[in-house]
Amino acid sequence: GQSLEQPSEVTAVEGAIVQINCTYQTSGFYGLSWYQQHDGGAPTFLSYNALDGLEETGRFSSFLSRSDSYGYLLLQELQMKDSASYFCAVRANTGGFKTIFGAGTRLFVKA
Amino acid sequence: DAMVIQNPRYQVTQFGKPVTLSCSQTLNHNVMYWYQQKSSQAPKLLFHYYDKDFNNEADTPDNFQSRRPNTSFCFLDIRSPGLGDAAMYLCATNRGTSGTNEQFFGPGTRLTVL
Repeated sequence: GQSLEQPSEVTAVEGAIVQINCTYQTSGFYGLSWYQQHDGGAPTFLSYNALDGLEETGRFSSFLSRSDSYGYLLLQELQMKDSASYFCAVRANTGGFKTIFGAGTRLFVKA
Repeated sequence: DAMVIQNPRYQVTQFGKPVTLSCSQTLNHNVMYWYQQKSSQAPKLLFHYYDKDFNNEADTPDNFQSRRPNTSFCFLDIRSPGLGDAAMYLCATNRGTSGTNEQFFGPGTRLTVL
């Protein structure tokens, strides 16, 4: 099966940098995705890592280490609108396009 | 604009009364997913289709069924809703090729069971 662990809550101030970690266990691994979800909204895709290293998209970056079964999402120049839940998700090599989500990290950005 | 549409956005049903939720997509994606999300929890995968190939999760209750009559539409049938089935139900799509594995989510249907 698959399991993912990420912190339940993170608090940071506007303008700061925050890192949300994710560790995973899976019988097969294709890649790690990150999604943002605001209260009452649907998840929206942020990034995907299939290979080791850092992927940068504007203020957001995502990192993967396959050997450590570990990844993180880095949010820079935090804005109030970044307050949301962030989910890491694993696409497993179990056939099909099955994707399992972590429990989510609630990010609170303070002024 | 290409998108994922879910109807209705809000559904109220009575305990034990069957309900059907619908999802349509204009993205022409091969893969469609149904997730259940309860408050402050992760989206829980119920099942997904690759084209017409149905993939059920082992822990999805038999009470939940799905149909995908064509590429564009997918339905979630809850045969006898219980109070524990009250949740947000999210439909998502994926192109179904190697690459970013990006899933596109619909706005969700919030189900209330009385």
